[in-house]
Amino acid sequence: SQTIHQWPATLVQPVGSPLSLECTVEGTSNPNLYWYRQAAGRGLQLLFYSVGIGQISSEVPQNLSASRPQDRQFILSSKKLLLSDSGFYLCAWSLSGNTIYFGEGSWLTVV
Amino acid sequence: DAKTTQPNSMESNEEEPVHLPCNHSTISGTDYIHWYRQLPSQGPEYVIHGLTSNVNNRMASLAIAEDRKSSTLILHRATLRDAAVYYCILPSYNQGGKLIFGQGTELSVKP
Repeated sequence: SQTIHQWPATLVQPVGSPLSLECTVEGTSNPNLYWYRQAAGRGLQLLFYSVGIGQISSEVPQNLSASRPQDRQFILSSKKLLLSDSGFYLCAWSLSGNTIYFGEGSWLTVV
Repeated sequence: DAKTTQPNSMESNEEEPVHLPCNHSTISGTDYIHWYRQLPSQGPEYVIHGLTSNVNNRMASLAIAEDRKSSTLILHRATLRDAAVYYCILPSYNQGGKLIFGQGTELSVKP
């Protein structure tokens, strides 16, 4: 069966520090991968999506970046965090428009 | 992008049926209609999906209009655990894997 894991679950980072959130999917091949952010308890904002290794599409210009070094690994990064980067980050996967599966989420607080 | 429109919020009494509407007037012939729900502090979870015919599963029913420009998620007997934000989305094969969530409908269930 397929599973998705993302970590860390929670982190508190100072402004200006780097960020790395990691997501891995098991039990499937060549999934579409997504990073979403939820800033105020509502509204999932799509940040990045990827349809293959090394293929990243960005939806919102910002100081975040994403990489897909392996087929089932998706990483969200920042070189310098801003206060406005605080929020609930969700990784997700799907197979070409089928059911979407979400990870457990990562709570980021920038202080 | 295929777009969906939902009411911001709805209220229901426990043990009563709930009908959550979604408009998707720009739906294309190959777009499936998916419903997800998000409990507080969790990632969204799949509820149900359909293409043209009405669908039933253990969680809910999905009624799709004949012209497919709208659909209704039906919870037959609301429980307190059904209080969540419900999202209607159209995962599209034609958008290069992009999956956009709207604001969803926040369902409150009163005892």
